[in-house]
Amino acid sequence: DVKVTQSSRYLVKRTGEKVFLECVQDMDHENMFWYRQDPGLGLRLIYFSYDVKMKEKGDIPEGYSVSREKKERFSLILESASTNQTSMYLCASSSRGGATNEKLFFGSGTQLSVL
Amino acid sequence: GENVEQHPSTLSVQEGDSAVIKCTYSDSASNYFPWYKQELGKRPQLIIDIRSNVGEKKDQRIAVTLNKTAKHFSLHITETQPEDSAVYFCAQWDDYKLSFGAGTTVTVRA
Repeated sequence: DVKVTQSSRYLVKRTGEKVFLECVQDMDHENMFWYRQDPGLGLRLIYFSYDVKMKEKGDIPEGYSVSREKKERFSLILESASTNQTSMYLCASSSRGGATNEKLFFGSGTQLSVL
Repeated sequence: GENVEQHPSTLSVQEGDSAVIKCTYSDSASNYFPWYKQELGKRPQLIIDIRSNVGEKKDQRIAVTLNKTAKHFSLHITETQPEDSAVYFCAQWDDYKLSFGAGTTVTVRA
């Protein structure tokens, strides 16, 4: 089974702190994604990456950045955390090409609270 | 991103009855439409998907229908059971990414 691991299940940070959310996948997937999940808003795409050192903005990139130095690791960075970034963050990965190109495998999520 | 509208936002059904969730999309070039199920406290998981060259697909008690002309697709769950209680998300694939609907919370009453 594909394993997508997010480093923290729960995080509590203070306004203005720099926050790193880490995600690692073990299936050599090319594509990796960061979504945030809020009640009534579904899953909204923040950033995605289809190769090492490549990144593309999603629908709500403001206030976030990402890093993909290695194929298996995709990090989400909140440069200066704000209370409106309190949310559940979900990492996902998928393989490029073939019949399973579009199938996303999700991590367990990180519930971030910014106080 | 591409807009995917999902209805209803909540759905309560009696055990054994059917549940139907509908989604509409705006990008006529989309050709892949999956459905994800998220149980309470767990990660979303793919339960069924459909491609644009097919009008309907079934997998046991769940089915998905696609109307490309009208740009909408639906999830049908028959003979609902308590374990079907979850949040369901529709999505459309757009190049390298999935755009999701807002989700439907399904509650199956015993």
